[in-house]
Amino acid sequence: DIQMTQSPSSVSASVGDRVTITCRASQGISTWLAWYQQKPGKAPNLLIYAASTLQSGVPSRFSGSGSGTDFTLTISSLQPEDFATYYCQQTINFPRTFGQGTKVEIK
Amino acid sequence: QLQLQESGPGLVKPSETLSLTCSVSGGSIGSSSSYWGWIRQPPGRGLEWIGTIYYSGSTYFNPSLKSRVTISVDTSKNQFSLTLTSVTAADTAVYYCARQGGAGRSFDYWGQGTLVTVSS
Repeated sequence: DIQMTQSPSSVSASVGDRVTITCRASQGISTWLAWYQQKPGKAPNLLIYAASTLQSGVPSRFSGSGSGTDFTLTISSLQPEDFATYYCQQTINFPRTFGQGTKVEIK
Repeated sequence: QLQLQESGPGLVKPSETLSLTCSVSGGSIGSSSSYWGWIRQPPGRGLEWIGTIYYSGSTYFNPSLKSRVTISVDTSKNQFSLTLTSVTAADTAVYYCARQGGAGRSFDYWGQGTLVTVSS
C-alpha cells in the first residue's frame, strides 16, 4: 500500500497569510494526487486533482504542485472560510489512501 | 447536478452486519466514466477508503476490511450498497458514499454522510 504523510498536522494562521501544506507519498505516484477540504460536520470537498488542476468552482487562491513523491497545497491568502482540515489522497492505484489531515486553525 | 444520499440504520449491535445504501440522482450509475466508492471517518479522525465498485460489478477493497466488506450495485435503482459484517465499536464512523469520476480519478461528488454507531 502507498502511505501518504502530511505535514504539518496543524497550522495556526491569520487571515491573509500564505499557507503551505505538504504531502509525501511512500513511493512515486506521478501526479495522481488529489486534495480535499473538509469543514466540521460536512463531507470532504474536492479542491485539486491531478496534483495541480483546480476543480471547477474552487477559488484561485488554492494551488497545488508536485510530482513523484512530494506535493504541496498552497493557499495564497487565507480567507475566513478556509479554516478547515485538508487531506491529500493518492489516486494512482488501489487501495486508495489518504493523508492523516492538516487542520488549519485561526491564530 | 449529481447528488448522492446515504441511507441505513444509525445503530448496529456488535457482531452484527452494517448495511448502507447510496442513492444516486442527477446522473446514471451506469456511466462508463464513473466508479462508486465508500469512505468512512471515525469520530475526530481521518478518512479511510473502504472500497470502490464499477457499474459492471468489478470491486476493489481496502485490504484491512476486505474479509468483512461487500459492495454491490443495482443499476435499475441507480443505487449501490455496502455491507460490513461482524462489526465492533471500531467500526463506529460517519460513512460517506462518493463518485470517483474521470477527473484524476478523485472523489468529485460526495453524499452528506451518515453516522453509524456500533453499540449494544
